Amino acid sequence: EIVLTQSPTTMAASPGEKVTLTCRASSSVSYMHWYQQKSGASPKLWIYDTSNRASGVPNCFSGSGSGTSYSLTISSMETEDAATYYCQQWSSNPPTFGAGTKLELK
Amino acid sequence: QVQLKETGPDLVQLTQTLSITCTVSGFSLTTYNVHWVRQPPGKGLEWMGAMWNGGGTDYNSAFKSRLSISRDTSKSQVFLKMNSLQTDDTAKYFCARRGYGSSWYFDFWGPGTMVTVSS
Repeated sequence: EIVLTQSPTTMAASPGEKVTLTCRASSSVSYMHWYQQKSGASPKLWIYDTSNRASGVPNCFSGSGSGTSYSLTISSMETEDAATYYCQQWSSNPPTFGAGTKLELK
Repeated sequence: QVQLKETGPDLVQLTQTLSITCTVSGFSLTTYNVHWVRQPPGKGLEWMGAMWNGGGTDYNSAFKSRLSISRDTSKSQVFLKMNSLQTDDTAKYFCARRGYGSSWYFDFWGPGTMVTVSS
């Protein structure tokens, strides 16, 4: 199965700061998806097919990448962006998730 | 609107069988696939298996021997059954709908149901 490695594991960002989260795949994948999860809640689809924002996601979020390296970028950190973000692939079975990046507000 | 909701026991005894129901609304099980994903406390997400819209199933090989997924389309319900539970099966269990795009992802999730396996 494809292993997804997210970095950093935890980070803190100040309001207005640019944030980049990284997801690396053990083998090449065609697309990457990202989910946002807040404490006690279910994951929410955030970015799909590498670079498409899900419904309601602010345009300060963007996704990019190809092959084995993908990223999610927040152009300007806001309070409500504090959450854990997971990447997910389904280029091959089984679908797998990264271990998550916990993003905190500084 | 699209909704999924899991119902199941809070507590299951060691080696017993877990049964969870996912009731969906706002879409048809004959059009969309529904998947099961679990999350142990403080840990990441693990895909367990799927009920395809055509009625077939797929399982993560990590669970294949003890996991069963079925459905009742007339009730818009998908069922998870897993036997021989161990303490490391303690987790929040989610059902999620597979979205349609260039690749496969989960576009709607239920709130999840927390299951504790007790010895």
